[in-house]
Amino acid sequence: GESVGLHLPTLSVQEGDNSIINCAYSNSASDYFIWYKQESGKGPQFIIDIRSNMDKRQGQRVTVLLNKTVKHLSLQIAATQPGDSAVYFCAENIATYKYIFGTGTRLKVLA
Amino acid sequence: DADVTQTPRNRITKTGKRIMLECSQTKGHDRMYWYRQDPGLGLRLIYYSFDVKDINKGEISDGYSVSRQAQAKFSLSLESAIPNQTALYFCATSDQTSGSIYNEQFFGPGTRLTVL
Repeated sequence: GESVGLHLPTLSVQEGDNSIINCAYSNSASDYFIWYKQESGKGPQFIIDIRSNMDKRQGQRVTVLLNKTVKHLSLQIAATQPGDSAVYFCAENIATYKYIFGTGTRLKVLA
Repeated sequence: DADVTQTPRNRITKTGKRIMLECSQTKGHDRMYWYRQDPGLGLRLIYYSFDVKDINKGEISDGYSVSRQAQAKFSLSLESAIPNQTALYFCATSDQTSGSIYNEQFFGPGTRLTVL
């Protein structure tokens, strides 16, 4: 994930619209990726994962796309709801115990 | 997720004081981790433990120590706290006993530590 300094990038979307959050990862050998959601005052919560032998995986209202050519990961949230407001960050697995975590994107859902 | 709990949730202390942050889990996982989170930075690994007898340094272990008292308990100590250790601290667990290398980490709610 990219380090973006002290201020998180913010994505503002209208309630009901789709959201797309992006992540650039650093290690071409990474073989497993996770998206986390972190609400204010809480710990990161697992949303969805994907292995490097896949390019797309769908969950409930969420889809993760993996483009290994450009080392890019995206999280798509369908029909964004107020409860989706949070910081979202990606994590890439570079060893059995070790992850590199992105700095995150703040998602704001507008009523 | 109440399966991983951390105490205290908030702590303000002074430079030079010894601080212990505690983590307990009821998930039955073998691996436990301590991370810190700073504004604008991703989570960084301080220490990790594969089981009670196996403790390893992470990328930023200087100034910290840990103790794995039991499979379910993993505590982080700051022997002599300094202001740049002000951060959010997260404990996490994972289950590697299944043999799969693709295992998510489950995080506790975090401890906000302020060192004055």
